[in-house]
Amino acid sequence: SQQGEEDPQALSIQEGENATMNCSYKTSINNLQWYRQNSGRGLVHLILIRSNEREKHSGRLRVTLDTSKKSSSLLITASRAADTASYFCATDGDTDKLIFGTGTRLQVFP
Amino acid sequence: GAGVSQSPSNKVTEKGKDVELRCDPISGHTALYWYRQSLGQGLEFLIYFQGNSAPDKSGLPSDRFSAERTGGSVSTLTIQRTQQEDSAVYLCASSLRRTSTNEKLFFGSGTQLSVL
Repeated sequence: SQQGEEDPQALSIQEGENATMNCSYKTSINNLQWYRQNSGRGLVHLILIRSNEREKHSGRLRVTLDTSKKSSSLLITASRAADTASYFCATDGDTDKLIFGTGTRLQVFP
Repeated sequence: GAGVSQSPSNKVTEKGKDVELRCDPISGHTALYWYRQSLGQGLEFLIYFQGNSAPDKSGLPSDRFSAERTGGSVSTLTIQRTQQEDSAVYLCASSLRRTSTNEKLFFGSGTQLSVL
């Protein structure tokens, strides 16, 4: 079963705009990760945030985590056409395995 | 190796045939994962290995699915008597340490399986 659910399922924006994706999960976690997938094949790790952290930055990416609401958000600032991809959150659900959400498909138009 | 390698990249088979999918993780990575992704869907966890043992096989859809890992390296996912609903992209990932949820996963490019 899916641990995480991303929202929205699909997002279309213009280059230069910001993109915000949300992830909700069901059980307590040790950490939460975000991944990116191009063209339906291999995923690439973007960022990891631990349960005792509230915010983390990496370049144009900003991730927040609210454990009281069991939710996280990924913000991509000043988006580019090359950011077009699917984005997934993944949580451990206090286990030894990562369970992925359903993903958000981001389309950035030039 | 430089990255996680999966073979074949594409596999077309007839319903009822057996298939073997191979994954070569990054050298030295002790944890190895198999996921399945149907068209336009999220990733479905299948199984993971720590070394050669599989602590969690709970995601395997049926007894037609099995996986093994030898020498703490290469893993093979076998699907017997394939069905059309097995059609999906099968993704393999590895990470460095035993407790992998604190570490990022490195993914292969996947095997696209099509069952006719």
